[in-house]
Amino acid sequence: DAGVIQSPRHEVTEMGQEVTLRCKPISGHNSLFWYRQTMMRGLELLIYFNNNVPIDDSGMPEDRFSAKMPNASFSTLKIQPSEPRDSAVYFCASSRGRGNAMNTEAFFGQGTRLTVV
Amino acid sequence: KQEVTQIPAALSVPEGENLVLNCSFTDSAIYNLQWFRQDPGKGLTSLLLIQSSQREQTSGRLNASLDKSSGRSTLYIAASQPGDSATYLCAVRETRDDKIIFGKGTRLHILP
Repeated sequence: DAGVIQSPRHEVTEMGQEVTLRCKPISGHNSLFWYRQTMMRGLELLIYFNNNVPIDDSGMPEDRFSAKMPNASFSTLKIQPSEPRDSAVYFCASSRGRGNAMNTEAFFGQGTRLTVV
Repeated sequence: KQEVTQIPAALSVPEGENLVLNCSFTDSAIYNLQWFRQDPGKGLTSLLLIQSSQREQTSGRLNASLDKSSGRSTLYIAASQPGDSATYLCAVRETRDDKIIFGKGTRLHILP
């Protein structure tokens, strides 16, 4: 398996523009997590899905942020409109769900470095 | 609300020394605890996963222990090498809601 795949790796956009980050989880994993990493706050959990259903989005900072998982192999995180304070590295991770008796180790993508100017 | 704390925030040691990184968590209702390594500008690499029923896991020069009742885990690195320089993060997976919560990491620098 190629691991968790995120795109793009880098994104530079102007304030007010819409940004869409993409994630392909590992095949067979039914839990997917979106995180934001900054120097000040470390890794913050934004939202996570189980079997394509959003379970907890309490970490989503504002209504400008939205996430979808239309199928088991694809998820998006959208920011509209983007602001300079959204600049961070956004990570996607996947694992087997806790209810699965198999290994529930979480694996991370390489991240998307977002810069909003 | 689960809080994960890692001490120290940064550590510099000479090559060859054995060292211990600490992780504590406030809610012991966890399903597992995972240690990760992150190199600058890179993603997170999983090092060790300890299930809540386990006391420790070993991989090469790394040994991680878990004391769930006291809310503590340690990562022991034997015979440290310059290539071990990175940020080490611990994360707990909560039983209640399946969230994975991270500490802020320990930045480790091994001096040649």
